[in-house]
Parts: sequence; structure tokens; C-alpha cells
Amino acid sequence: EDQVTQSPEALRLQEGESSSLNCSYTVSGLRGLFWYRQDPGKGPEFLFTLYSAGEEKEKERLKATLTKKESFLHITAPKPEDSATYLCAVEDNQGGKLIFGQGTELSVKP
Amino acid sequence: DAGITQSPRHKVTETGTPVTLRCHQTENHRYMYWYRQDPGHGLRLIHYSYGVKDTDKGEVSDGYSVSRSKTEDFLLTLESATSSQTSVYFCAIKRQSSGNTIYFGEGSWLTVV
Repeated sequence: EDQVTQSPEALRLQEGESSSLNCSYTVSGLRGLFWYRQDPGKGPEFLFTLYSAGEEKEKERLKATLTKKESFLHITAPKPEDSATYLCAVEDNQGGKLIFGQGTELSVKP
Repeated sequence: DAGITQSPRHKVTETGTPVTLRCHQTENHRYMYWYRQDPGHGLRLIHYSYGVKDTDKGEVSDGYSVSRSKTEDFLLTLESATSSQTSVYFCAIKRQSSGNTIYFGEGSWLTVV
């Protein structure tokens, strides 16, 4: 059974304090691993897709990496506006559906 | 903007009443999804559709039905609402032209009292 586990559940950082979020997964065959950002009262907003081990993607202060068992979302010098819940999801190669982790709630204080 | 409109955005209903949530898309995507999001459970797939009149169950489909009579609309129906169906419901589409990325609507908040 496909499974996604995110850690930590919550993370509090000071502005400028870099850190990483973890997403561990088990899937029969990985088609893609997705990262989303979700603000309170909003739908998830797409950030990245990673397809194969060793792949990296960057966007502003965020960098996502992928191994055969986990993905990391690195946040460099975060700002208060980076505060949100970050969701990880996997799609297996039998197609069509995303399985989500429970998310990491990030809070960045000025 | 994924071109997804959900309605209603907020609804309070009584236990035992039927409820239908509508998802409307403007980009002619083949795949559409209904998820629910609850504290402690994250996002869970209810049903999905891979074409007009083609639907399949997700992991939490009990108590829900769906219909897709035209490409742009995907309806989620709670035949007889229960308090356990109080949740936030998200519709999503798969944009195959963008690496099969799934994009979400803004959500429908449903409270069953």
C-alpha cells in the first residue's frame, strides 16, 4: 500500500533560520512526487514535481530534492510569508491518484 | 489559476439531508477529483473521474456518489449527510500539459449539524 509520512508535524523558525522538511514514501512504482503549499482557508498550491532519484528543483527560497525513499524541502533564509502548511504527495505508476502526507505546518517569526 | 470553481463555498446542513457539491472547470481536462481534508488525516481521495460518465472510487468513498455528465462539471453528492461528513472538500483537475500536475480549487466548507 502506498504511504506518505511527513516530518516534523510542525516547525517554528526565526526569520533567516534555514531548515528542511522531510517526506518519506513507499510506493509500488513512483510516477512523481509533488510538493504543495497550503495557506489557511485556501486550496493547496502546486510548488514542485520530482520524477526520479537525484532530481532537484528550486523556486526562490525553496529547494526540493528526491531519493528513492524520501524527499526534502529545504528552506533557505525563510521569511514570515513562507509560513504555511507544506504538503507532500506521491503518484504511483498505476496512475491517476495522489496519496498525501499529513503535512508540515511551518511558522516563521520575524 | 487552474480554472476551477467550486460551489457552494460554504454550507450548513442538517443530518439526513442530501447535499450536492459542484465542481466546474473551464479548461476541458479529462481527469477530475474530489478530496476531503480533515485534521489528523490530511487530504484523502473520495472519488475521481477520467472522462464523461467514467468514475472510480477513492479511499473514502462510502456515503458519497459522483456524477459527470459533461466534461466541465463533476458533482459530489452526499445522499444522507452525517456529522462525520463535516469537512472541507476540494475539487482538483489534472493538467496533462503540465507534467500531469494536479491543481486544486479553493474548497467547499460543509458543516452537518
